[in-house]
Amino acid sequence: DIQMTQSPSSLYASVGDRVTITCRASQNINSHLNWYQQTQGKVPKLLIYGASTLQSGVPSRFAARGYGTYFTLIITSLQPEDFATYYCQQSSPSPRVVTFGGGTKVEI
Amino acid sequence: QVQLVQSAGTVVQPGGSLTLPCAASGFTVNTFGMHWVRQAPGKGLEWVAFIQFDKSVKHYVDSVKGRFVVSRDDSSNTLFLEMKSLIPEDTAIYFCVRDNKKTVGSTSYFYMDVWGKGTSVTVSS
Repeated sequence: DIQMTQSPSSLYASVGDRVTITCRASQNINSHLNWYQQTQGKVPKLLIYGASTLQSGVPSRFAARGYGTYFTLIITSLQPEDFATYYCQQSSPSPRVVTFGGGTKVEI
Repeated sequence: QVQLVQSAGTVVQPGGSLTLPCAASGFTVNTFGMHWVRQAPGKGLEWVAFIQFDKSVKHYVDSVKGRFVVSRDDSSNTLFLEMKSLIPEDTAIYFCVRDNKKTVGSTSYFYMDVWGKGTSVTVSS
């Protein structure tokens, strides 16, 4: 099974900061990597799919890149509504066995 | 409106059984793969199970194999998760989720785009 490791597990930041979260896969997953945001008490929301494609409606301050086993999510200028937990997810097409990273909590 | 409607939370004793429904509206479940994802209290997301759009393929996380079964009733457009031999470690919010894809050239990228609000399952005596 593919394991996903996120770092850091938590971080403190201020409004306007640039934030970078990393995600490593235990084996090559090409670009089959998604990012989700979950705010407290809410359902996860898709931010990025295919390692770097912004989901419709997601602000452009979110960006992501990576390929193979190393991926990053970047928030260029943190906004108050961005304080949340972020999860990476490997989403290989076959088999459709999905794995989430452990999450990164972005706190004030 | 595309949505997944899940039932209210419940408490079940260790060793007990439970079936979670997830009713889809705004789309037909037999045209999408569907997942179950759970989140234990204060913990991260854990993928649990997947059923392919044509029901020909099902996958499960190792910790639930042999105990959980994912199924679907196309006449009611509803997804189910049948859970047996429940243990306290199964305590979590269970989300049903739609599997969607975007094809670029010859490559399809899969992602979870529609989530139910979740059903809280507590396994406790």
